[in-house]
Amino acid sequence: EIVLTQSPGTLSLSPGEGATLSCRASQRVSGDYLAWYQQRPGQAPRLLIYGASTRATGVPDRFRGSGSGTDFTLSISRLEPEDFGVYYCQQYGGSPLYTFGQGTKLEI
Amino acid sequence: QVHLQESGPGVVKTSETLSLTCNISGDSVNVHHWSWLRQSAGNGLEWIGRLYIGGTTLYNPSLKSRVTMSVDRSQNQLSLRLTSVTAADAARYYCARSGVVTPRGYYYYYHGMDVWGQGTTVSVSS
Repeated sequence: EIVLTQSPGTLSLSPGEGATLSCRASQRVSGDYLAWYQQRPGQAPRLLIYGASTRATGVPDRFRGSGSGTDFTLSISRLEPEDFGVYYCQQYGGSPLYTFGQGTKLEI
Repeated sequence: QVHLQESGPGVVKTSETLSLTCNISGDSVNVHHWSWLRQSAGNGLEWIGRLYIGGTTLYNPSLKSRVTMSVDRSQNQLSLRLTSVTAADAARYYCARSGVVTPRGYYYYYHGMDVWGQGTTVSVSS
């Protein structure tokens, strides 16, 4: 099983600042099939990034994914109040087919 | 616009079988792959299994012995059955489109899950 470890556990920032979230895999993520999700309280996860760096439809360009192999990063610039929530990374292709990180809570 | 709606009993007794459905509108079970997932405070987000276009399934090895996913093509509906439930199965259950469909209509089945239902909460009572 590919285990994804996210850091930090919690990030406390102010509007206008930038955020950097990390996701480290226990083994190489094949094809860089790494996705990021945002989850606000009481809502389902929302896909932000797929293929490590491609923004999903409608995602602002303030969100940027990068990385390859075992180390991936989600960067959010110019934080806005609606960016608060929990962010998860997810890999595709191992066994089980999908696994998720434990999440990073972004407090604005 | 694609919309997924999960439904279920809300409460299931220990050792009994959990049955959930997912109604799909704006898309077809015959065109894309679909997944079930769950989220609990203790285990975070967990992928349960995937239903492929052709009807085959792939399950999480940790749940494989207790899970059955199926499709009703006439109703455009997914179903999930989980047998012998315990307190560890209490969670919010989601169905999701497995993969990404771009605005130009390209389907990348090997990427994340781009459409999710709102989920349905399942509690387990003794």
